[in-house]
Amino acid sequence: GEDVEQSLFLSVREGDSSVINCTYTDSSSTYLYWYKQEPGAGLQLLTYIFSNMDMKQDQRLTVLLNKKDKHLSLRIADTQTGDSAIYFCAELMNFNKFYFGSGTKLNVKP
Amino acid sequence: DAGVTQSPTHLIKTRGQQVTLRCSPKSGHDTVSWYQQALGQGPQFIFQYYEEEERQRGNFPDRFSGHQFPNYSSELNVNALLLGDSALYLCASSLAVNTGELFFGEGSRLTVL
Repeated sequence: GEDVEQSLFLSVREGDSSVINCTYTDSSSTYLYWYKQEPGAGLQLLTYIFSNMDMKQDQRLTVLLNKKDKHLSLRIADTQTGDSAIYFCAELMNFNKFYFGSGTKLNVKP
Repeated sequence: DAGVTQSPTHLIKTRGQQVTLRCSPKSGHDTVSWYQQALGQGPQFIFQYYEEEERQRGNFPDRFSGHQFPNYSSELNVNALLLGDSALYLCASSLAVNTGELFFGEGSRLTVL
């Protein structure tokens, strides 16, 4: 359960919606996460979803979880230039070990 | 409320040297985890400390060791540095009763020449 896959790049125009996708391998994951990392900075927790949920909405962020396909997505509505960053998907294993994907670099064009 | 703080922010070492990185967890947190983030990669779990003991460990050699103090702060030590140890080292804290919420520091950028 250590393979978390993400596409490397996504480019959108300001005001559009962004959808970042992730697949994970371990169906026993309890929580799934999205973190944001800006250049030269640490990781900022954006949102997370418990594995028995299908969807979670938090302001401009919507997380969708498809447990059958082990697919997680993050939708950012009305994407702004300040949303440009690297977004990491992560799964929590054994209640205390996180496995991260390699990150999706989101570029928002004005 | 101070978040997770790490020091130093940047450092340069040469091969074979040893390094110690420090972390103070978010106020109220009792569990500290360390991650290594190589350039262009996601963070990789090194180990986790709780009650001053290593609770879990990732796939890292024994050159990587750590310590947690009674005040919950933590150190990461790396011996016999290799060029491949160059990375951003991230400390994350959480509560043992709720390890689902992990808060990260800004990291220590280690360059090994």
